[in-house]
Amino acid sequence: QSVMTQPPSASGTPGQRVTISCSGSDFNIGRNTVNWYQQLPGTAPKLVIYADSLRPSGVPDRFSGSKSGASASLAISGLQSEDEAEYYCAAWDDSLNDPFYVFGTGTKVIVL
Amino acid sequence: QITLKESGPTLVKPTQTLTLTCSFSGFSLTTGGVGVGWVRQPPGKALEWLGLIYWNDNKRYSPSLKSRLTITKDTSKQLVVLTMTTVDPVDTGTYFCIQTHSSSSFPNWGRGTLVTVSS
Repeated sequence: QSVMTQPPSASGTPGQRVTISCSGSDFNIGRNTVNWYQQLPGTAPKLVIYADSLRPSGVPDRFSGSKSGASASLAISGLQSEDEAEYYCAAWDDSLNDPFYVFGTGTKVIVL
Repeated sequence: QITLKESGPTLVKPTQTLTLTCSFSGFSLTTGGVGVGWVRQPPGKALEWLGLIYWNDNKRYSPSLKSRLTITKDTSKQLVVLTMTTVDPVDTGTYFCIQTHSSSSFPNWGRGTLVTVSS
């Protein structure tokens, strides 16, 4: 099954900019839009970026998304303590007869 | 306001069948473009998408679990049921109900229910 790879962790001090990468394939990121989810400890994931770079209502503009080819990135600028969480990229995958949704491996963002 | 709530057993024995229910409100599963599905997360591990059922009864399943999963809906009762056969301890985790509407993303999630598979 397709895998979308993320670095295990990323860190920064308050106010800094942190970037998380997501490496996929031509069948997922390469041809479908990317979504990003934030998961605080003990809670359900929350959508923070959809359609590669759009923010749902209520998500601070410190969060931004981009995509190039089969890779995507999530950037958090002006890092705040409440941003410490696990972040997952996700996309639909068309590699088989029926599309399926796939999550990345997850990245723990640590605020130093 | 859209709400989703998972319910079902907290403990299941290996080889048994797991049945979870997602009760929802704030939308109808008869509206075009709407889908309700499931994601799970083993303790300390990553999210894993399980499957989805759409308003028109089309279904999508994780290829690795397709043979063990069935997702059905009852639009009159506003619920979606996930059935997973022949469970194993590796199926232990929190199971989340998710919802989408004409989108490739899942903006709405339930709080999740923890299922432990153990004898």
